[in-house]
Amino acid sequence: KQEVTQIPAALSVPEGENLVLNCSFTDSAIYNLQWFRQDPGKGLTSLLLIQSSQREQTSGRLNASLDKSSGRSTLYIAASQPGDSATYLCAVHSGGGADGLTFGKGTHLIIQP
Amino acid sequence: DGGITQSPKYLFRKEGQNVTLSCEQNLNHDAMYWYRQDPGQGLRLIYYSQIVNDFQKGDIAEGYSVSREKKESFPLTVTSAQKNPTAFYLCASSIGRNSENTIYFGEGSWLTVV
Repeated sequence: KQEVTQIPAALSVPEGENLVLNCSFTDSAIYNLQWFRQDPGKGLTSLLLIQSSQREQTSGRLNASLDKSSGRSTLYIAASQPGDSATYLCAVHSGGGADGLTFGKGTHLIIQP
Repeated sequence: DGGITQSPKYLFRKEGQNVTLSCEQNLNHDAMYWYRQDPGQGLRLIYYSQIVNDFQKGDIAEGYSVSREKKESFPLTVTSAQKNPTAFYLCASSIGRNSENTIYFGEGSWLTVV
């Protein structure tokens, strides 16, 4: 059974710093990996989707990498801003389960002004 | 604007009552999903539907029911059989269930038992 772990569970950094969020998964036979952002009391917003054949995806100040063989993905946020404060979740599509998606519990990120 | 609309945002349920959460999408997506999110937990799949008039149980379907009479709509009923229904409920959709599709979420509905 696929398991997804996100470390750290919470992170607080000063504004302007570059930071890395980590996601690891136990079964490397995946189709894709998706990073989401969730604001308090809100739904999830898709940030980046990396197919299993890709190594990375970029969108603005965000860069997500995927190392399928080691079961790891990172989300790099450059020049962090207070508006980046949110919970970041990764989800792995590995074909198991009813919809094939397994979610991590998220990293709660606070950017200090 | 295209998207997924969930209503109501907040709902209170009395003991023994059934309540229904609405989910409507205008993205022309075939697949729709219902997830439950508890504090500090990952999302857990309740039900999903790949096409109109078809739906499948997810990991935690007990105490819930759904229907898919229209492509745009996928309502979730929380029945009295669900003993711990207080949670945040998220509806989602995607073009299909193949590996290349981004999944899109609504804004969620809070359900509280009173």
